[in-house]
Amino acid sequence: AQSVTQLDSHVSVSEGTPVLLRCNYSSSYSPSLFWYVQHPNKGLQLLLKYTSAATLVKGINGFEAEFKKSETSFHLTKPSAHMSDAAEYFCVVSDRGYSTLTFGKGTMLLVSP
Amino acid sequence: DAGITQSPRYKITETGRQVTLMCHQTWSHSYMFWYRQDLGHGLRLIYYSAAADITDKGEVPDGYVVSRSKTENFPLTLESATRSQTSVYFCASSDGVSVTEAFFGQGTRLTVV
Repeated sequence: AQSVTQLDSHVSVSEGTPVLLRCNYSSSYSPSLFWYVQHPNKGLQLLLKYTSAATLVKGINGFEAEFKKSETSFHLTKPSAHMSDAAEYFCVVSDRGYSTLTFGKGTMLLVSP
Repeated sequence: DAGITQSPRYKITETGRQVTLMCHQTWSHSYMFWYRQDLGHGLRLIYYSAAADITDKGEVPDGYVVSRSKTENFPLTLESATRSQTSVYFCASSDGVSVTEAFFGQGTRLTVV
């Protein structure tokens, strides 16, 4: 069975400061991991994905995530937050060979001027 | 237009009525999914389909019916709508070949009164 825990339901940062959104996963097999973003009243957009290549994954809009197997973590980071980053972020896991995705409950990122 | 489209975008229905949410994708992806999104729960899988005429239950299938007679379409039917089915519903598709990411529709906001 696979599961995802997003450790913070809300994260507040100031514009220009670093962003850290935390995610821990549980998986029976070597997982694929994803971060999706959802802006208000919009669909979900893929930010980045890990599929057992490099452990440091770069995504769109300056985001990146590091896969740490020993810690079963896949935290999302960005060096400098922008107002347009305010959205809800979902960490997602999928076991290899099993194509359904399991979502975390989401982290709302709030960015203040 | 290429992509994945859901209809309607908004729907209000009465308790006990049957309602069908439509999903159409143009990529010929083998896998299609229905999720519901509720505050505090993230996205939860209702049903998925690995190919035409192959469907399987997800985490929260009760009260829903799906069919997939054609690869490109995956309608979701609420046979007798209840207030607890008020939610935002997302359809998604993926090629399922190497556990690639899923592509999401814009969502259908369903209100059951």
